[in-house]
Amino acid sequence: QSALTQPRSVSGSPGQSVTISCTGTTSDVGGYNYVSWYQQHPGKAPKLMIYGVDKRPSGVPDRFSGSKSGNTASLTISGLQAEDEADYYCCSYAGSHVVFGGGTMLTVV
Amino acid sequence: EVQLVESGGASVQPGGSLRLSCAASGFTFSSYALTWVRQAPGKGLEWVSTIGGSGGTTYYADSVKGRFTISGDISKNTLYLQMNSLRAEDTAVYYCVKGLVKFDSWGQGTLVTVSS
Repeated sequence: QSALTQPRSVSGSPGQSVTISCTGTTSDVGGYNYVSWYQQHPGKAPKLMIYGVDKRPSGVPDRFSGSKSGNTASLTISGLQAEDEADYYCCSYAGSHVVFGGGTMLTVV
Repeated sequence: EVQLVESGGASVQPGGSLRLSCAASGFTFSSYALTWVRQAPGKGLEWVSTIGGSGGTTYYADSVKGRFTISGDISKNTLYLQMNSLRAEDTAVYYCVKGLVKFDSWGQGTLVTVSS
């Protein structure tokens, strides 16, 4: 049950796009189309942003998109806004368990 | 509207026990898997345990297997996490979450501190 690998931090300017990667194995990310992404602001509970690799829950802006290639999933945020500054976590179903990534801090500079 | 309200968090000594509760509303309790996710201070999210909608299937992270037990009471729409043999590394905010392959609703969390 090893954690998925995410970059510790990424940054971008307002209006730009950023992509956060999430690398796992054939036992989790590569083996199932059940990758999800969560946004967490300080002191708040996480919020679901993407599920099923590339699906957006209602209410999540279409600036957020997800994809997957092999054992690596990605979250892309386009048209960065100040309120996007937060921690982002990927997550994958892995059969008998679930695994999260270590988290990526997004800074909007 | 889905609501998940955790309770039971406290400060406890190493080796002690604690039971967390999560009161659920706004959805059919028996139709969905429910999960506990924890977050140690300043750290990332860690999946702890999931119980299937029927209550018949349970899953545990290796880090808590044999020490924690997840259960649900359909009559009370309440999820539980019985935590025994607590260790310092179990110190975290524990979130009650709806789902298994997607966590679409989260509680506000309850803090468990394990310290002597």
